Amino acid sequence: DMQMTQSPSSLSASVGDRVTITCRASQNSGHYLNWYQQKPGEAPKLLIYAASTLQSGVPSRFSGSGYGTEFTLTISSLQPEDSATYFCQQSYNTPYPFGQGTKLEIK
Amino acid sequence: QVQLQESGPGLVKTSQTLSLTCIVSGGSISSESYYWTWIRQPAGKGLEWIGRTYSSGGTDFNPSLKSRVTISVDTSKNQFSLKLTSVTAADTGVYYCARAHSSGYPPYWYFDLWGRGTLVTVSS
Repeated sequence: DMQMTQSPSSLSASVGDRVTITCRASQNSGHYLNWYQQKPGEAPKLLIYAASTLQSGVPSRFSGSGYGTEFTLTISSLQPEDSATYFCQQSYNTPYPFGQGTKLEIK
Repeated sequence: QVQLQESGPGLVKTSQTLSLTCIVSGGSISSESYYWTWIRQPAGKGLEWIGRTYSSGGTDFNPSLKSRVTISVDTSKNQFSLKLTSVTAADTGVYYCARAHSSGYPPYWYFDLWGRGTLVTVSS
């Protein structure tokens, strides 16, 4: 089965910082990679699909890149409301595995 | 706008069957642009895709759960359901129903709409 591995597992950054989260797939996923943001007690929210397409309504400070086995989610200027856990998800074939999550805290 | 709402017992006894329903409001479950899925999250852990149904009734399941899972759709009630048999404590967690949408060609699928989730605890 395909495995998705995120790094780091957690990080702490300051408002205004540029933050990058990496997701690695154990097999070639092409552009079939989605990113979600989850805040405590809430359902995940779609941020990016097809590796780099911003979902409607998501702030432009979020961006995604990558192809194949290595992908990144970047927040260009961190805001207080970005404190959350971020998950990547492979969407090429079932069982559509998710990464283990990256918990982002604001200093 | 379209909303999803999970419903079902919050407590299930070990070895029994977990049953949840997701009601789709504000839009039709019969649209061919979507499929409908269940995803779960054990406390403090990551997300696991359980399976999906199309409005036609076709289904696919996570191989790790396939022997215990049934997902069905009722287009007349605009809802879909999950049944998970022979549950253990490992099945405890928040269960989400979600809508999968596609964009582009080849189609890129993503989960763009989620229910709020329902906590299911398995205990003897």
